[in-house]
Amino acid sequence: GAVVSQHPSRVICKSGTSVKIECRSLDFQATTMFWYRQFPKQSLMLMATSNEGSKATYEQGVEKDKFLINHASLTLSTLTVTSAHPEDSSFYICSARDMGLAGGPLYNEQFFGPGTRLTVL
Amino acid sequence: GDSVTQMEGPVTLSEEAFLTINCTYTATGYPSLFWYVQYPGEGLQLLLKATKADDKGSNKGFEATYRKETTSFHLEKGSVQVSDSAVYFCALSDMGSSNTGKLIFGQGTTLQVKP
Repeated sequence: GAVVSQHPSRVICKSGTSVKIECRSLDFQATTMFWYRQFPKQSLMLMATSNEGSKATYEQGVEKDKFLINHASLTLSTLTVTSAHPEDSSFYICSARDMGLAGGPLYNEQFFGPGTRLTVL
Repeated sequence: GDSVTQMEGPVTLSEEAFLTINCTYTATGYPSLFWYVQYPGEGLQLLLKATKADDKGSNKGFEATYRKETTSFHLEKGSVQVSDSAVYFCALSDMGSSNTGKLIFGQGTTLQVKP
C-alpha cells in the first residue's frame, strides 16, 4: 500500500511549450501533496504545497504563474510547467501525505513518487 | 528558519564496514526527524523516523537516535552491503500545531559500497 505514481517518468520538450506532470496516490487519499525539484547531485527543494480543493501554497522564490498546480481530487495533483525553458530542466518529485486513520502507522506520513525527468531543449 | 545539515559525501566503504552519516538540525519547535534513501533512478523511500527526543528509529539494519541535546540524528549501520549504495537524505518536519507536513531536507550523502 501507500503507492504514489507520477506520469510521465521522462519528458523532453521544446522551449516555450508547456508540460503537465501528474501525481497520483494509488491506494490512499491525500488531502495534501507536495512538489519538489531536485537538481543533479543536490537535495530536494520544496516548490509548493498542494491542498485538495484550494489554492497551492508556493515557497518563496517559486513563480506560481510558471508552475501551475491543480489538486482537483483526493488522489490527483498536477504540476504544469508553462512556457518551459532550458533552465526548467530538472527532476520533479511529488509526495502525498496519508491523512487516513488517525493514529494509524501511516498517518501523516509522506510517500514519494518516482519522479519525472524534464528536459527542455 | 529550520534547516538540516548532513556530512558531505561521497562516502566510499568496503562491504561489511561500519557506516555513520552525520546529520544535525536547527528547528524552533519539536520536529520529527527522518532518513530517506534514494536508489539510482528511483524516488525517495522512507528508511526510518523518530518523532521525539531519545527515540531510536531502525529499519533494515540502519538506526538513528533523536538527540535533542546535540540536535543530531546520525545514521548508522554496523555492516553495509553493496546493495546499500544510494543517496541518503536526512529531513525534518514540524508536526506541531501548524502541522503543514513540510519536509526540509539535508543536501544528501552519496554512499558507495564496494565489494
